[in-house]
Amino acid sequence: GAVVSQHPSWVICKSGTSVKIECRSLDFQATTMFWYRQFPKQSLMLMATSNEGSKATYEQGVEKDKFLINHASLTLSTLTVTSAHPEDSSFYICSAERTGETQYFGPGTRLLVL
Amino acid sequence: KNEVEQSPQNLTAQEGEFITINCSYSVGISALHWLQQHPGGGIVSLFMLSSGKKKHGRLIATINIQEKHSSLHITASHPRDSAVYICAVRFAGAQKLVFGQGTRLTINP
Repeated sequence: GAVVSQHPSWVICKSGTSVKIECRSLDFQATTMFWYRQFPKQSLMLMATSNEGSKATYEQGVEKDKFLINHASLTLSTLTVTSAHPEDSSFYICSAERTGETQYFGPGTRLLVL
Repeated sequence: KNEVEQSPQNLTAQEGEFITINCSYSVGISALHWLQQHPGGGIVSLFMLSSGKKKHGRLIATINIQEKHSSLHITASHPRDSAVYICAVRFAGAQKLVFGQGTRLTINP
């Protein structure tokens, strides 16, 4: 199946710093990318939907200024957690799809904010 | 309301047993996904279905559109099958997936 990568796979940062997570579709052009957050033993929670070349659509309750999403090309989307705080510590997962096809999930990024 | 229900929530079985995980949804869909998440966190897309049945190795996924129900079967289960299995549905006209709560499967040797 298609491959989606995320970088970094884990990151530890100090409170107040910003962290950028990259999501790349390695062997296909993704018309849409999704960003999810997952707390321990819970299901994935959609944060935002990102279509290439347009602004991301955020889910209710997700702060746009806190979680900046950029989808600059058909193979790359980035999520920046700005001024991170300990409550932002979580597992962040992206997925990518071509229209009408299955979503391929990245391996996830584990963020720990101290 | 667009809902997805999985059962059971937890399942423990012995190696070699035939496993069935169920997923029911509330209204019409355009696609249903079965996903696997191992303890390390990464998610693997096992199947995408809109009708009928698909098979990959020891895994079989079926969907009944009229009954709004899908099953994931694992034949000759193995400890390495231990993971959380997630049903996710794209409802008709929607772009995003709605996830079931997941089924935690443990296969004992």
